[in-house]
Amino acid sequence: AQKITQTQPGMFVQEKEAVTLDCTYDTSDPSYGLFWYKQPSSGEMIFLIYQGSYDQQNATEGRYSLNFQKARKSANLVISASQLGDSAMYFCAMRAGRTGNQFYFGTGTSLTVIP
Amino acid sequence: ETGVTQTPRHLVMGMTNKKSLKCEQHLGHNAMYWYKQSAKKPLELMFVYNFKEQTENNSVPSRFSPECPNSSHLFLHLHTLQPEDSALYLCASSQEGSYWYNEQFFGPGTRLTVL
Repeated sequence: AQKITQTQPGMFVQEKEAVTLDCTYDTSDPSYGLFWYKQPSSGEMIFLIYQGSYDQQNATEGRYSLNFQKARKSANLVISASQLGDSAMYFCAMRAGRTGNQFYFGTGTSLTVIP
Repeated sequence: ETGVTQTPRHLVMGMTNKKSLKCEQHLGHNAMYWYKQSAKKPLELMFVYNFKEQTENNSVPSRFSPECPNSSHLFLHLHTLQPEDSALYLCASSQEGSYWYNEQFFGPGTRLTVL
């Protein structure tokens, strides 16, 4: 079954420290895409980073990097140098399916950055 | 207006009412989506439209009726809803092509309460 699992309901990190948010996925499709989104309290989902199943290198976008371990089916998000504005819900998502039109989201991780 | 807009932002309705949610994207994208976000549950994909054609309907009850008159507008018509339908309804859009790496851009959502 296609599924995304985020096992950390809540995380705390000190400002300026790095933090890793865990994500594991399950799919039998050979082609898939993995995404991370941030959802502040305002409700809008903000795209952070993408990793394709055939990408050889880990994706990076500014302070965000994705630790992609295909054999373990994990796609952890690493946020370096945390800022107070990083406090939000973070969702891992997967795009898969024969047509690529199926999107699966995890239950999210609430990140709180402590000054 | 920029990005993806949704109206209304908040909606309270009785179980016998009929209402509609509106989504508009100003990004020139060719695909639009409706999601349901309930507390402590993963984001659920409801409907997908590519080039105004519905391509996915993930077993959504018929009391939810989508309409996509053009690539920029998406509606979700609601009638005889149940209290368990109370949730945040998110609209998203993306530019679809040969690859899956195009991220979705989300609107701020409509907070729906069914009494």
